[in-house]
Amino acid sequence: QMQLVESGGGLVKPGGSLRLSCAASGFTFNDYYMSWIRQAPGKGLEWVSYISISGNYTNYADSMKGRFTISRDNAKNSLYLQMNSLRAEDTAVYYCARADLRGGDPYFDSWGQGTLVTVSS
Amino acid sequence: SYELTQPPSVSVSPGQTARITCSGDALPKQYAYWYQQKPGQAPVLVIYKDSERPSGIPERFSGSSSGTTVTLTISGVQAEDEANYYCQSADSSSTSYVVFGGGTKLTVL
Repeated sequence: QMQLVESGGGLVKPGGSLRLSCAASGFTFNDYYMSWIRQAPGKGLEWVSYISISGNYTNYADSMKGRFTISRDNAKNSLYLQMNSLRAEDTAVYYCARADLRGGDPYFDSWGQGTLVTVSS
Repeated sequence: SYELTQPPSVSVSPGQTARITCSGDALPKQYAYWYQQKPGQAPVLVIYKDSERPSGIPERFSGSSSGTTVTLTISGVQAEDEANYYCQSADSSSTSYVVFGGGTKLTVL
């Protein structure tokens, strides 16, 4: 049974940094692209980033470029999101999701339960 | 940047058919995907590539596409279908490649 478990969320001050992790199990991790998607409290879904199988290719939403870095460790079946220069508007639940790009464009066929990041002084 | 537009809310009685639309300029050439999200839970994929249904998703969920609009149809709505529904697509010419619609709250009366 496949599972994605996020960790690393918490309270951080504006301008601070945080590193999220996602542990994958129940499927062949290095067969899939992976992604982060976030949801601010009471708001809709917002795509953050995705990473290729090898980790050599990444893509980011505009508002996250230059501040967030996605990475993966296939030996550890793990996905990461390094978040720097955090702002109040980055407050959200961050979901790890498995991405399917076989049709050319990504969609997300499995999601973790999310980890809450709160940016506040 | 590219946008997908959904109605904020749709209401139906149990057993009726619910239709949730999603409009976007790139939809004629890009697939759309639909996710169901119940309160306090992670989203679940219910439709992919406009009209394909993942295994485990009930047959009452279907998708269609016409021009710049895609539609999620739930036939014979049940109380358990009450949730937020999000469409998603991609546009490589946009500054943010992957886009979600704003979401539609389906209320089962």
